[in-house]
Amino acid sequence: EAGVAQSPRYKIIEKRQSVAFWCNPISGHATLYWYQQILGQGPKLLIQFQNNGVVDDSQLPKDRFSAERLKGVDSTLKIQPAKLEDSAVYLCASSLGAAKNIQYFGAGTRLSVL
Amino acid sequence: DQQVKQNSPSLSVQEGRISILNCDYTNSMFDYFLWYKKYPAEGPTFLISISSIKDKNEDGRFTVFLNKSAKHLSLHIVPSQPGDSAVYFCAASSNAGKSTFGDGTTLTVKP
Repeated sequence: EAGVAQSPRYKIIEKRQSVAFWCNPISGHATLYWYQQILGQGPKLLIQFQNNGVVDDSQLPKDRFSAERLKGVDSTLKIQPAKLEDSAVYLCASSLGAAKNIQYFGAGTRLSVL
Repeated sequence: DQQVKQNSPSLSVQEGRISILNCDYTNSMFDYFLWYKKYPAEGPTFLISISSIKDKNEDGRFTVFLNKSAKHLSLHIVPSQPGDSAVYFCAASSNAGKSTFGDGTTLTVKP
């Protein structure tokens, strides 16, 4: 069974530029999550989708971050414009459902904002 | 306000001995707890979980204990192996499905 795919693996941009990350979850997984993991910290949930609807985006900085999940499968996370403090690993995860389900993570995208 | 805390950033143990990783939480609405393991340059992978209706769950060398009154859980690894060296994250969730992660504990198992 294929795991969660993310691309790119690494991205270096300058502040005020824009960047987009892509995630392909495990087939059949209804719930998709985007996390931000800053060095030395645990993953922090940015947004949670159930199929193609948003369940929780309370911690998403909506003035610069946006995410969509078209047709309830793939998802993209965009940052525009990027700030220095956005440097982090962006993790995508998926699960069969929402409550009490094990999350399967991709390898993440490491973003460096210079 | 960090709802899930792993107070030990690192732990070093000898191969064959027991590793005990601790986690504390503050939100009494949490009713399901998970441990994930993370190797460098990889995403976290699920290790073991426990529901709040239990106080212990065991899977091979890994056992998780939950003390609801103290809002504390621990992961025991016996015996520890060098391949267990990784970052371990504790996560807590409620019926809403949102998981809150601790900052992780880096375990080093020395041969």
